Amino acid sequence: DTAVSQTPKYLVTQMGNDKSIKCEQNLGHDTMYWYKQDSKKFLKIMFSYNNKELIINETVPNRFSPKSPDKAHLNLHINSLELGDSAVYFCASSQGPGGAYNSPLHFGNGTRLTVT
Amino acid sequence: AQTVTQSQPEMSVQEAETVTLSCTYDTSESDYYLFWYKQPPSRQMILVIRQEAYKQQNATENRFSVNFQKAAKSFSLKISDSQLGDAAMYFCAYRSPYSGGGADGLTFGKGTHLIIQP
Repeated sequence: DTAVSQTPKYLVTQMGNDKSIKCEQNLGHDTMYWYKQDSKKFLKIMFSYNNKELIINETVPNRFSPKSPDKAHLNLHINSLELGDSAVYFCASSQGPGGAYNSPLHFGNGTRLTVT
Repeated sequence: AQTVTQSQPEMSVQEAETVTLSCTYDTSESDYYLFWYKQPPSRQMILVIRQEAYKQQNATENRFSVNFQKAAKSFSLKISDSQLGDAAMYFCAYRSPYSGGGADGLTFGKGTHLIIQP
């Protein structure tokens, strides 16, 4: 069974559209994340969320918003898509806070977003 | 804020040989955790090995081992008996136990592309 699953795997859309990427984890983890991997493979955190606290990377445009219907899901909504949003987006989860900080992040397989 | 530096954008090694990927980090914290992740062409992010800063003993996982030098803030990954399946991007990552209740996740280096020559 997939531990962290995200859909869709590929997403091609036009500038100005609004899109969502879904993420679900079945590991019972408390914290979920969204990362962006750019064309140079650099991974940068966008959000972390642990039921009560949302931490936003200050460089993330407010067109991006995470939505968590429950502890096992953290979806990513993107409004007014721009060419520069093209990237691979990874969802991840881990134990914590207050738990094992040596707990690694478990990643989904990524969503390749292409904005044309 | 912590930073992670991987100074080798690309490394190449012959199959069955040993290769070492370097990683340095900058932090003022005394306790933290370090990880190496592998990303093959399939795009999956796979945990290779982890190290707690308070442990002096270097972590090992089969053919993978680390050389952790806390004073030098260095965390290199050694891959022994390289195999074709080891070809991937390798990312070094830092995790602080102090920031936002652990909600800040991992800070990654820019990665090293490892090529295995048959």
